Amino acid sequence: DVKVTQSSRYLVKRTGEKVFLECVQDMDHENMFWYRQDPGLGLRLIYFSYDVKMKEKGDIPEGYSVSREKKERFSLILESASTNQTSMYLCASSSHGQGSRGSYNEQFFGPGTRLTVL
Amino acid sequence: GNSVTQMEGPVTLSEEAFLTINCTYTATGYPSLFWYVQYPGEGLQLLLKATKADDKGSNKGFEATYRKETTSFHLEKGSVQVSDSAVYFCALSDVNRDDKIIFGKGTRLHILP
Repeated sequence: DVKVTQSSRYLVKRTGEKVFLECVQDMDHENMFWYRQDPGLGLRLIYFSYDVKMKEKGDIPEGYSVSREKKERFSLILESASTNQTSMYLCASSSHGQGSRGSYNEQFFGPGTRLTVL
Repeated sequence: GNSVTQMEGPVTLSEEAFLTINCTYTATGYPSLFWYVQYPGEGLQLLLKATKADDKGSNKGFEATYRKETTSFHLEKGSVQVSDSAVYFCALSDVNRDDKIIFGKGTRLHILP
């Protein structure tokens, strides 16, 4: 059974703390993604990685960084947590696209980490 | 740019009612279309997909047809159950980058027994 796991289901941190969210997948997928999910805003892409040590900014990268040292692990880092980063964080992975018309790649999601910044 | 618009929720129905959740998209080229579902306390999972015009995706009694002429991918189910209560996301593949998926804002569905 395919699996994406996230290090914590719930996390409470203080403003200004450095926060690490970890994601691990066991499907040998090349791509990994970090989203945040907020009511009324849906899912917004923070960063994604298409290979080890490779990363690209998503739609809302400000205040975040990422690390991908191993294929199976993708970390999201909040350098200095702020209250507006209180949210649900979802990690996902997928295999590379075929790059042709009609191709697609299902993304597999972890259960999410609900982060509260006080 | 590419985008997805889906009906706002919450949608509340009685068990065995007919369900439609509307979804329209804007895209250049030929995206693939998806419906993802998020059950309470869980991450998203793929419900169904369609990769070209007139394709019908189906799973667990849900169906959606890729309509290029109306740029729509409406989700339907003939008889909903309490266990269908969840948040449903319409999504499309980014035609400029197949690896990325663009999600709608989600529609929360409540089914009453």
